[in-house]
Amino acid sequence: DTEVTQTPKHLVMGMTNKKSLKCEQHMGHRAMYWYKQKAKKPPELMFVYSYEKLSINESVPSRFSPECPNSSLLNLHLHALQPEDSALYLCASSQSRGPGEGPEAFFGQGTRLTVV
Amino acid sequence: SQQGEEDPQALSIQEGENATMNCSYKTSINNLQWYRQNSGRGLVHLILIRSNEREKHSGRLRVTLDTSKKSSSLLITASRAADTASYFCATDDSNTGNQFYFGTGTSLTVIP
Repeated sequence: DTEVTQTPKHLVMGMTNKKSLKCEQHMGHRAMYWYKQKAKKPPELMFVYSYEKLSINESVPSRFSPECPNSSLLNLHLHALQPEDSALYLCASSQSRGPGEGPEAFFGQGTRLTVV
Repeated sequence: SQQGEEDPQALSIQEGENATMNCSYKTSINNLQWYRQNSGRGLVHLILIRSNEREKHSGRLRVTLDTSKKSSSLLITASRAADTASYFCATDDSNTGNQFYFGTGTSLTVIP
């Protein structure tokens, strides 16, 4: 199973709502990622979890709150978002390696988020 | 956080022709990967080339890597209409190995 599953596929939320994006993988990967992608732009790294611990936060605003409940699951909690946060949110996973051993990443199909 | 740039930004070719895309990056890397993305969908991993490799093949794909120039190229031979997609290179950080930064991408259109 080389699949990363993201839910929901589409989400429309108001600026005062609280919602969560979910990501699941069963490949035994210990590194998981959140990326944000605007239209016609490359994915931008938001967060990296390694062995369920947050290892990288690319200066993401606090209205985005990641959570890694276990080695298979990754959540992104959303609160008080702005319309400019509308984007495709992609989850990925990979083997967690040390320096010099960069691995292949597998991506989910993404959640298309619209903030109104 | 973006690591590199790709060239050209857009490429339109006839079916059967070859397509070449170039990627330049900024820092030392462990490996470079190429991904494909159909419109509005997730990314599909195509090929990974390690920093100590110079060329790699997979089916109709040929990737080269020149670490002295910090550049890579992706060649798709005998293109098909189904190859129409955006193609991104992604590099990791040689200090950590656990993050991927994407280039700006090339939008490829293959005309039947």
